[in-house]
Amino acid sequence: EPEVTQTPSHQVTQMGQEVILRCVPISNHLYFYWYRQILGQKVEFLVSFYNNEISEKSEIFDDQFSVERPDGSNFTLKIRSTKLEDSAMYFCATRRFTTKNYGYTFGSGTRLTVV
Amino acid sequence: GDSVTQMEGPVTLSEEAFLTINCTYTATGYPSLFWYVQYPGEGLQLLLKATKADDKGSNKGFEATYRKETTSFHLEKGSVQVSDSAVYFCALSDPGGTSGSRLTFGEGTQLTVNP
Repeated sequence: EPEVTQTPSHQVTQMGQEVILRCVPISNHLYFYWYRQILGQKVEFLVSFYNNEISEKSEIFDDQFSVERPDGSNFTLKIRSTKLEDSAMYFCATRRFTTKNYGYTFGSGTRLTVV
Repeated sequence: GDSVTQMEGPVTLSEEAFLTINCTYTATGYPSLFWYVQYPGEGLQLLLKATKADDKGSNKGFEATYRKETTSFHLEKGSVQVSDSAVYFCALSDPGGTSGSRLTFGEGTQLTVNP
């Protein structure tokens, strides 16, 4: 069964540093998403991406965050200057279409720890 | 906006007990409803889904029925196993509403099944 691959599985970074989280979507999927889950809390939507541009973003997704698909393969989430409160599990999800019959496939996540 | 409310956890059961995890939702459109499961150290896996009122989703002995009149999607299993121990998330997607194609998650319910 096709998978969404996320790398790295775990990243530790110092406060103020930039991090890039990577996701390889399923090859024929067109819609891409980032979610995060702070330890013990619910999974929260960050951003959706379609046709090489952001289609929707949440209030969490401020100027410190950016997404891109630089080579048509990887889908990346960049945090420009990490804060302690960015420590969370970050999930990438992809979807072929957005109609009801097409579901989301999630990656295994990247655990980001900001120290 | 859209929201999902799950029963508070954690839930601890003995093997072969009956499981119910309550989920209610608020949505402006006609959402699809999902249950995702997260096993320890792993990502989110789709457990089951329902796309319209009165649909029943089922998988691996788990069931949930989309009840529009009570805006609920409760998860049930007749006889749980130790291997069912995980965190369960109720979620909705409401493309016709205010949330676009994103998933909105509940708080998650930790289930522990003891032998």
